[in-house]
Amino acid sequence: GAVVSQHPSRVICKSGTSVKIECRSLDFQATTMFWYRQFPKQSLMLMATSNEGSKATYEQGVEKDKFLINHASLTLSTLTVTSAHPEDSSFYICSAVGLNTEAFFGQGTRLTVV
Amino acid sequence: KNQVEQSPQSLIILEGKNCTLQCNYTVSPFSNLRWYKQDTGRGPVSLTIMTFSENTKSNGRYTATLDADTKQSSLHITASQLSDSASYICVVSASYNTDKLIFGTGTRLQVFP
Repeated sequence: GAVVSQHPSRVICKSGTSVKIECRSLDFQATTMFWYRQFPKQSLMLMATSNEGSKATYEQGVEKDKFLINHASLTLSTLTVTSAHPEDSSFYICSAVGLNTEAFFGQGTRLTVV
Repeated sequence: KNQVEQSPQSLIILEGKNCTLQCNYTVSPFSNLRWYKQDTGRGPVSLTIMTFSENTKSNGRYTATLDADTKQSSLHITASQLSDSASYICVVSASYNTDKLIFGTGTRLQVFP
């Protein structure tokens, strides 16, 4: 089946620094990728929709200047958490949609801001 | 409002037993319903995907059912194994935007020996 690779799987950073998370579709082209955030014991919360070659669409309440999304190619989207704070600590997951509308998820990134 | 509700919130069963997880949704117009398995600290993995015309779909020991009239779905796990311990998430998409997934809150299943 299709594979979506997310990197890194875990990252610890200091408050005030920026962290970049990559999401790659390995064997298919994804014109649309999605970024989710998941708090412990809760379901995934959509943060933004990443469209190749255009600006991302952010969900209400998500700061686009804080969570920068770049979808430079049909196989790569990146999420950069800028000026990270401890409250940004969370599990971030990307997904990519294939031609048959099947959604494939990355392995997730556990971000800890200290 | 488009919503997806799952029950029970958590479930504990013994290895080898069967169990059924429920999903009710209010998403309209409906496009498809998916069940995902999410291990702790990992991304969700697809188990089944069903469209309006499908009533049941199996994937190994997992069997999903869909009643589009009552807007209900179930996921039945047969002969549970310890590795089935995970969160199971019901996800629905609407036909006006099939890419946008509406997530249920999940059922946390624990299988004990």
